[in-house]
Amino acid sequence: QQQVKQSPQSLIVQKGGISIINCAYENTAFDYFPWYQQFPGKGPALLIAIRPDVSEKKEGRFTISFNKSAKQFSLHIMDSQPGDSATYFCAASKLSSARQLTFGSGTQLTVLP
Amino acid sequence: ETGVTQSPTHLIKTRGQQVTLRCSSQSGHNTVSWYQQALGQGPQFIFQYYREEENGRGNFPPRFSGLQFPNYSSELNVNALELDDSALYLCASSPITGSPEAFFGQGTRLTVV
Repeated sequence: QQQVKQSPQSLIVQKGGISIINCAYENTAFDYFPWYQQFPGKGPALLIAIRPDVSEKKEGRFTISFNKSAKQFSLHIMDSQPGDSATYFCAASKLSSARQLTFGSGTQLTVLP
Repeated sequence: ETGVTQSPTHLIKTRGQQVTLRCSSQSGHNTVSWYQQALGQGPQFIFQYYREEENGRGNFPPRFSGLQFPNYSSELNVNALELDDSALYLCASSPITGSPEAFFGQGTRLTVV
């Protein structure tokens, strides 16, 4: 059973544009929502994470928006750069077992120069 | 780059064989989790070790087993390998402070032929 649904599967954005990736979850017990970035041949790297007590969190060019009632959260990458080209994964877990992450299926982002 | 190291980086095994993958966690981290990432998919949680004991398990059969050692390093063992076990196996470690963050190694690419 897929508990975290991620879209789109792939995304192409021009340099300087905004990249938006969406995720929806089913398990209302989830209360920790990280985003990971993965380059080919590398393990996932933590980008930014949010807990449901806030609706938005921003770190540099990366922003997470969180809608608890809709059980949705999204990643916005402002001023997208070619170096941002990678696969992005949303994930969710319960804080009580936060390292047991349920991942989305991933979004392959390509930023054109 | 995280301080989580995995070995070997690549491995080819024959169906029915057994394999052992190794992970050295980042300094100051006492929790290790293992994930399986099939090609084009998000990582799937296999199990987690804390203080040398299994502390959570995903939907994987018993032929997937593990160990954690006093220095917090860990092994993943897979018996009776099947073709579908071909995947990138990721180890993630988390800090003693109880932070929910998980830091991944670069993974071991296992191919079963």
